Amino acid sequence: EPEVTQTPSHQVTQMGQEVILRCVPISNHLYFYWYRQILGQKVEFLVSFYNNEISEKSEIFDDQFSVERPDGSNFTLKIRSTKLEDSAMYFCASSEVGRYQETQYFGPGTRLLVL
Amino acid sequence: AQSVAQPEDQVNVAEGNPLTVKCTYSVSGNPYLFWYVQYPNRGLQFLLKYITGDNLVKGSYGFEAEFNKSQTSFHLKKPSALVSDSALYFCAVSPLSGNTPLVFGKGTRLSVIA
Repeated sequence: EPEVTQTPSHQVTQMGQEVILRCVPISNHLYFYWYRQILGQKVEFLVSFYNNEISEKSEIFDDQFSVERPDGSNFTLKIRSTKLEDSAMYFCASSEVGRYQETQYFGPGTRLLVL
Repeated sequence: AQSVAQPEDQVNVAEGNPLTVKCTYSVSGNPYLFWYVQYPNRGLQFLLKYITGDNLVKGSYGFEAEFNKSQTSFHLKKPSALVSDSALYFCAVSPLSGNTPLVFGKGTRLSVIA
């Protein structure tokens, strides 16, 4: 069964450093998402991406964040200058494009720790 | 604004007994409702969804959920719990059709005791 994969599984970085989180969505999916979950809190939407551009973004997704589909398979989330409060589990998801709410399939997550 | 409430942080049930994990929602318009499960060190796995039609939705691993519009609820159920069902369960809602973001509840930890 096709799966969304994410790398790395864990990332430790110093405050102010740039990090890039990588995702390989399911191959025939065209809609991509990033969510995050701060420890003990809800899963929160960050951004969705379709047709090589951001479709929707939340208030969390400020100028420090960017997304890119650098090639035909990868989807990345970049945090330009990490802050302590960026420490969280980051989930990538993908879905088909549809008229109704298509199921979003999630990857295993990247646990980011900012020191 | 849309929201999801999972009123129980933890649900404990004996193996073989029926289980219920509760979810209520608030959304303007027609809700699209989902259940996901998260096992340790794994991502969110899709269990089932309600889009339209029959209020009783059947999903993976023997789980089902009942959409109740008057009570704005979408409780997850299983007739006979297994120890392997022990995990973190998330209810999510989307207020619109198409590829819109999901709004998640805070999760309920299910513990099935042998």
